[in-house]
Amino acid sequence: DVKVTQSSRYLVKRTGEKVFLECVQDMDHENMFWYRQDPGLGLRLIYFSYDVKMKEKGDIPEGYSVSREKKERFSLILESASTNQTSMYLCASSSPGGGALDTQYFGPGTRLTVL
Amino acid sequence: AQTVTQSQPEMSVQEAETVTLSCTYDTSENNYYLFWYKQPPSRQMILVIRQEAYKQQNATENRFSVNFQKAAKSFSLKISDSQLGDTAMYFCAFMKYNNNDMRFGAGTRLTVKP
Repeated sequence: DVKVTQSSRYLVKRTGEKVFLECVQDMDHENMFWYRQDPGLGLRLIYFSYDVKMKEKGDIPEGYSVSREKKERFSLILESASTNQTSMYLCASSSPGGGALDTQYFGPGTRLTVL
Repeated sequence: AQTVTQSQPEMSVQEAETVTLSCTYDTSENNYYLFWYKQPPSRQMILVIRQEAYKQQNATENRFSVNFQKAAKSFSLKISDSQLGDTAMYFCAFMKYNNNDMRFGAGTRLTVKP
C-alpha cells in the first residue's frame, strides 16, 4: 500500500512565525502535491513537484514556498504565517504515466491554526 | 480552466438504502479522468472510484458505481446498501489526461443514519 505521512496532525503557530510542513511518501512517486482544504472551497493546489528540485505553482502559491531535496520528501514553508493561512493542509503523491498511476494518494493532513 | 461543481453540500441516508451524489464539470478537453474521493471524519482521504473519459462503460467498485454522462458533463456517485462507515466527506475531482492538475469540487458531506 502507498503510504503518505505528514509530520504533524495538529499545529498551532503565531502570526509571523516561519512554519515547516513535511510530507514523506514511500512509493518512489515522482509527483508530489500540497493542497489546502477549506470548507465550501474543496481542495486548492498550492504547489506541486514532478521531480527532485523541480516545482510548479498551483492556484494559490502566494505566501508559500516549497522544497524538494529528496524524491520521497516534499516540504511546504510558510515564510511568515498569517491568520488567513489557518487551514487543513494535505499532501499527495502520484506517479506519471497514465492509467491508474495518475491516481493521487493523500496523507492524513495537518490542521494548522495561526493565532 | 476546468471547474467541478457539487451542488449538494450535505446529504443523509438511512443505513442499507441507496444514495446518489451529484457532480458536474466544465471542460473543453476530450481526454480526461474523473475521480470520487472519500474523506472520513479525522481520517485520510482515499480514492473511491475513477473513470477514464474514453471509456463508455461506467466504473463500479463493489457497492460504489458511477453514472458518467460525457455529453452532459455529469459524473454522479451511487452508493448502494449504505453503511455507517460510508459517513464521510465526498469529493469529486477532474484531471486532464497527462496533466498533474487535479480540480476538486467543494465536497458533499454524507451522513449515514442507523
